[in-house]
Amino acid sequence: DADVTQTPRNRITKTGKRIMLECSQTKGHDRMYWYRQDPGLGLRLIYYSFDVKDINKGEISDGYSVSRQAQAKFSLSLESAIPNQTALYFCATSERQGPQHFGDGTRLSIL
Amino acid sequence: AQSVAQPEDQVNVAEGNPLTVKCTYSVSGNPYLFWYVQYPNRGLQFLLKYITGDNLVKGSYGFEAEFNKSQTSFHLKKPSALVSDSALYFCAVSPPTSNTGKLIFGQGTTLQVKP
Repeated sequence: DADVTQTPRNRITKTGKRIMLECSQTKGHDRMYWYRQDPGLGLRLIYYSFDVKDINKGEISDGYSVSRQAQAKFSLSLESAIPNQTALYFCATSERQGPQHFGDGTRLSIL
Repeated sequence: AQSVAQPEDQVNVAEGNPLTVKCTYSVSGNPYLFWYVQYPNRGLQFLLKYITGDNLVKGSYGFEAEFNKSQTSFHLKKPSALVSDSALYFCAVSPPTSNTGKLIFGQGTTLQVKP
């Protein structure tokens, strides 16, 4: 089983819909992150969390929200999806200053 | 602004030849440096990191990286490329002052190894 699991792996939806992407981990790491990947831009940080009570904005948090339901679970929501949020989304976990461990991503298309 | 640059969108090498994927960064202080690899339909996989010490760092799958402080570079190298090394490679930097573990990524370099 994967250490960092993202669901769904693929999602196609319409403009204006609310979408939730889920991430769970079995690595026991306190730190969790959400990124989006766009061709030619690398990965950009959306939100990150150091524990259940800690939520921090990344460089591109507008239009997104997150919830850290437990140490092992970190979900990303798009309250009202728009086409320029079409991207590949990754969840990652880490220990303090350690390498980050990534899930296999969610490919999200917004029509 | 803090940034990471990978100047080549694509690097092409023949199998068995040495490869280099370039990375330079603009971050104050002494950052932590990382290389990741991404295969199609997969997440990023950690290859190696530099924190301090020897400027040549060895990592997974025979890869190594050379840190050069004066040139603020962290180039990824491998003495003999394999076709299976073909993938997308990302350089990333964690600023030392952040204490957050946040990573700043380069835009990625596609490595194509031909038989």
